Amino acid sequence: EAEVAQSPRYKITEKSQAVAFWCDPISGHATLYWYRQILGQGPELLVQFQDESVVDDSQLPKDRFSAERLKGVDSTLKIQPAELGDSAMYLCASSLIMDSGFMETQYFGPGTRLLVL
Amino acid sequence: SQQGEEDPQALSIQEGENATMNCSYKTSINNLQWYRQNSGRGLVHLILIRSNEREKHSGRLRVTLDTSKKSSSLLITASRAADTASYFCATRANNLFFGTGTRLTVIP
Repeated sequence: EAEVAQSPRYKITEKSQAVAFWCDPISGHATLYWYRQILGQGPELLVQFQDESVVDDSQLPKDRFSAERLKGVDSTLKIQPAELGDSAMYLCASSLIMDSGFMETQYFGPGTRLLVL
Repeated sequence: SQQGEEDPQALSIQEGENATMNCSYKTSINNLQWYRQNSGRGLVHLILIRSNEREKHSGRLRVTLDTSKKSSSLLITASRAADTASYFCATRANNLFFGTGTRLTVIP
C-alpha cells in the first residue's frame, strides 16, 4: 500500500539553527500539505501545494518558514532560524487533485517530531 | 482558530463498550471527515460524510451529520484496546481544519 514518506522522523536542534524536513507524497497525488501539530492540539495547516504551485500559505510564518515543491513531487519545509516555540510534530499529507472547495481524503505521513533546545 | 471542536476532550471506557464523540463546527461545509491518530504518529482517515448525507457506516464506525446544528458524531461500537487513540474531525470550507481532538482510552 502506497504511503507518504517523511524524514527525518526525529530532529533535535538548538534555537537559531536551520532545520529542514522532507516529504514524498503518494505517487500521483497532486496536492501536498504541510501541517504543524503542537502537543495536545489538532494539526494546523501551514502550506498547501497543487503540483508545484502554492495554493495557500496564509498560516505559514514566512519570516522564518519556507516550503518548496520544485518538480511537483516531493517537498521540503525549512525553518531558519528555529525558535523554542517551533517544537512540534510536522506532518505531511497528500491527496488527489480536488475540485474547487471540495475536500478530498488526505493521507498522512508518520511526521517529523522537532525539538528545539 | 480551528474550525472544529470535539467533545469530550477525553473519554475512558471498558473494552466492549461503545464510544461516542462529538464535533461542532462553525461554517458551511462540503463534507466532514474523521481521522484517528495513534500516539506520536500520523493521522489515518476513517470516514467521510458529505453535507447531503445524514448517516454513514463503516465497519464498527457510525457517523452522523446534522448540518442545521453544525455538528457531527462518531460512534465506535464494541470498542477494543486497539481503538485507543485521538480522534479528530476535519471540516472544509476551502482548507481543511482539524478540531482539538478527543483522546479515547479503551481499558482491556
